[in-house]
Amino acid sequence: TQLLEQSPQFLSIQEGENLTVYCNSSSVFSSLQWYRQEPGEGPVLLVTVVTGGEVKKLKRLTFQFGDARKDSSLHITAAQPGDTGLYLCAGVNTGGFKTIFGAGTRLFVKA
Amino acid sequence: NAGVTQTPKFQVLKTGQSMTLQCAQDMNHEYMSWYRQDPGMGLRLIHYSVGAGITDQGEVPNGYNVSRSTTEDFPLRLLSAAPSQTSVYFCATGPGHLNTEAFFGQGTRLTVV
Repeated sequence: TQLLEQSPQFLSIQEGENLTVYCNSSSVFSSLQWYRQEPGEGPVLLVTVVTGGEVKKLKRLTFQFGDARKDSSLHITAAQPGDTGLYLCAGVNTGGFKTIFGAGTRLFVKA
Repeated sequence: NAGVTQTPKFQVLKTGQSMTLQCAQDMNHEYMSWYRQDPGMGLRLIHYSVGAGITDQGEVPNGYNVSRSTTEDFPLRLLSAAPSQTSVYFCATGPGHLNTEAFFGQGTRLTVV
């Protein structure tokens, strides 16, 4: 069974601080996605990374896919209260169509 | 352009009742899937479909049935509801393969008493 472990599970920081969320597995994925979810809403896709070692930037968010395609990280620079939410990583298995989600990292950014 | 529409948004069932959760998409995506989200456990895949007429089981399929007669619709049926099926259910669609779940619906909050 493929598992994706996210850490930390919960993070409470002050506005302006930097943070990194990690997503780790012993399995290889064909791609990995990061989502953000707000209360009462469905997850919203932030990014998909496909190539080992790939780095993608989305404004203050930087996403990296591990060289071996088993892990990923999300780094937020100068966090803002609007970044508050549940961040989920999800790996698509090498067969192509089954996605495994991590349990999520709940981020709270205080003004 | 509605995207992914789930109905109902809320539902309370008695143990043993059956019901169908509806999911419709207007993006002409081949891939559709159903997840349940429980506290501390992330999203778990129930069933998925890679196109009309094709469905397959995910991680937690027991107690649920699906069908995919059209590209647009992917209903999830609970055969005999149990309290363990109390959860928030999400439908998702995507263009397939590397971007399987690109768009999620707003969810159905189901309580089984």
